[in-house]
Amino acid sequence: SQTIHQWPATLVQPVGSPLSLECTVEGTSNPNLYWYRQAAGRGLQLLFYSVGIGQISSEVPQNLSASRPQDRQFILSSKKLLLSDSGFYLCAWSVMGPGQPQHFGDGTRLSIL
Amino acid sequence: ILNVEQSPQSLHVQEGDSTNFTCSFPSSNFYALHWYRWETAKSPEALFVMTLNGDEKKKGRISATLNTKEGYSYLYIKGSQPEDSATYLCAFFGYDKVIFGPGTSLSVIP
Repeated sequence: SQTIHQWPATLVQPVGSPLSLECTVEGTSNPNLYWYRQAAGRGLQLLFYSVGIGQISSEVPQNLSASRPQDRQFILSSKKLLLSDSGFYLCAWSVMGPGQPQHFGDGTRLSIL
Repeated sequence: ILNVEQSPQSLHVQEGDSTNFTCSFPSSNFYALHWYRWETAKSPEALFVMTLNGDEKKKGRISATLNTKEGYSYLYIKGSQPEDSATYLCAFFGYDKVIFGPGTSLSVIP
């Protein structure tokens, strides 16, 4: 069966520090991969999605970047965190196509001090 | 509209009551409408994916309908149970856009 792992579960970082959140999927090949953020009191916002290795689409301009160095690995990064980067980050995967359900990781709670 | 709205924002019902929520989404460039259940301390879980106008889907006591022409979907829960307490998210999947609604928070009182 397929599983998705996302870590760390919580992270407290100072403003201006770098960030790296990792997400890996097991049990499937060539999945679509997604990074979402839920800011306080708001819905899930799609940040990045990827349909293959090295293929990243960004939905909103921001302080973050994403990379997919391997088929089932998706990394969310920042060189310098801002206070506004605080939030709950979720990674998800799906079989190819928007008509397929997404499967979410457990999320990372990021607090910027 | 280029937004996804859900109503009500929150709902408290007695165990055994039936309830329904609404999701409004853009009526153009539509590909699919997803419903997810998000329980506290867990990750969102897919309930339904609907793609065709007039679609009706059912899973146990939960069902959903879809109207793509007017841009709305209803989620129904029959005979609510305490374990149904969660936030219910709908998500619009267009050909070039994914928009999640803010969710409806359901609390079922035993």
